Amino acid sequence: DGGITQSPKYLFRKEGQNVTLSCEQNLNHDAMYWYRQDPGQGLRLIYYSQIVNDFQKGDIAEGYSVSREKKESFPLTVTSAQKNPTAFYLCASSNGQGWAGGNQPQHFGDGTRLSIL
Amino acid sequence: SQELEQSPQSLIVQEGKNLTINCTSSKTLYGLYWYKQKYGEGLIFLMMLQKGGEEKSHEKITAKLDEKKQQSSLHITASQPSHAGIYLCGAGGPRGSQGNLIFGKGTKLSVKP
Repeated sequence: DGGITQSPKYLFRKEGQNVTLSCEQNLNHDAMYWYRQDPGQGLRLIYYSQIVNDFQKGDIAEGYSVSREKKESFPLTVTSAQKNPTAFYLCASSNGQGWAGGNQPQHFGDGTRLSIL
Repeated sequence: SQELEQSPQSLIVQEGKNLTINCTSSKTLYGLYWYKQKYGEGLIFLMMLQKGGEEKSHEKITAKLDEKKQQSSLHITASQPSHAGIYLCGAGGPRGSQGNLIFGKGTKLSVKP
């Protein structure tokens, strides 16, 4: 079955440490996205990528970094510069390159919950 | 920037009752998506609406987009415990915009057996 796999499901970060969240999709989707969800809040966009080797900052990119070396993979690194990293992180993908492919529904992974030790 | 307001924030209904969740936008909606989320899990796509006046149904869930394309409603008929969860609306941008969605804060639905 095609889908989006996020790992790990739970992650703990120590002070001053960088951590990387994995996101892999086998839907052959061009576009991939990272969102952050805080309690009682909607999803906020961190980074997105519409094509391999290209990505753009979202609304809350500070303290995060990404790479898109393969179509299937879009890992997110939470750096030590992110002072409030505790949140639920969701990865999504969609067909087409944003509007260029027409509005297409985004498919989501099961999320990674990041906490501070 | 566009904002989506969902109402109510939370809802408790008796099993078998009907309910409606609303999503109101500060700007024209070019694509309106409804998702369902169970606590600690990812979002499950329910329906997408694009045209003013459009209505779609799946099983006991019906979503509508008003003619002015600034408000959408999600209606559940004869609710069941399996309908419990958080319902989120998301909006796409106009042609030429980036492909991400703007989301409302969600409506938490509890169904009492």
